[in-house]
Amino acid sequence: EAQVTQNPRYLITVTGKKLTVTCSQNMNHEYMSWYRQDPGLGLRQIYYSMNVEVTDKGDVPEGYKVSRKEKRNFPLILESPSPNQTSLYFCASSRDLPFYEQYFGPGTRLTVT
Amino acid sequence: AQSVTQPDIHITVSEGASLELRCNYSYGATPYLFWYVQSPGQGLQLLLKYFSGDTLVQGIKGFEAEFKRSQSSFNLRKPSVHWSDAAEYFCAVGTNTGNQFYFGTGTSLTVIP
Repeated sequence: EAQVTQNPRYLITVTGKKLTVTCSQNMNHEYMSWYRQDPGLGLRQIYYSMNVEVTDKGDVPEGYKVSRKEKRNFPLILESPSPNQTSLYFCASSRDLPFYEQYFGPGTRLTVT
Repeated sequence: AQSVTQPDIHITVSEGASLELRCNYSYGATPYLFWYVQSPGQGLQLLLKYFSGDTLVQGIKGFEAEFKRSQSSFNLRKPSVHWSDAAEYFCAVGTNTGNQFYFGTGTSLTVIP
């Protein structure tokens, strides 16, 4: 089954404790992206990747890092999480460019206390 | 900068009534336009998309949308709403001059019996 998986689905952590949210897709997609969803703000793009070793900033990259060492994986790293990073995070992938259909993961709800 | 506006934060309709959700975008060239739906606790699912050609596009679940370049709009419509259509709806735009993707803030739809 074609899918995007994220782990963990729920995470509660404390300020400053490094964490990684994993994202994996099994569709051989080149484009992958991370979004955060906040009430009243919709989804905002954090980082995206056009292919292996190619990443770029979206609209809200501050406080986040990403890497793309393999085509299927695109982890999101919060090196020193802060409470303003409490949010619902979605990973997505698409065939090559973002204007093809993006397939979304189920989301990761992160709470930073 | 590109932007997407969904002026209606929340809409309530009766089951069987028609529906129109508004979306306006700001982009200099022809955008790639999308509507996504997010059911409670779920990820996002693509309803329909417009790239070029016929400005009236059909999507899944009986939805359609019309691209109006003169009004910079891409409104979503459904002739008869079902209770299962209650969800959050996001309009989004991709561009071919960059690789970013922009979402509107969403419209929450409530369907009353």
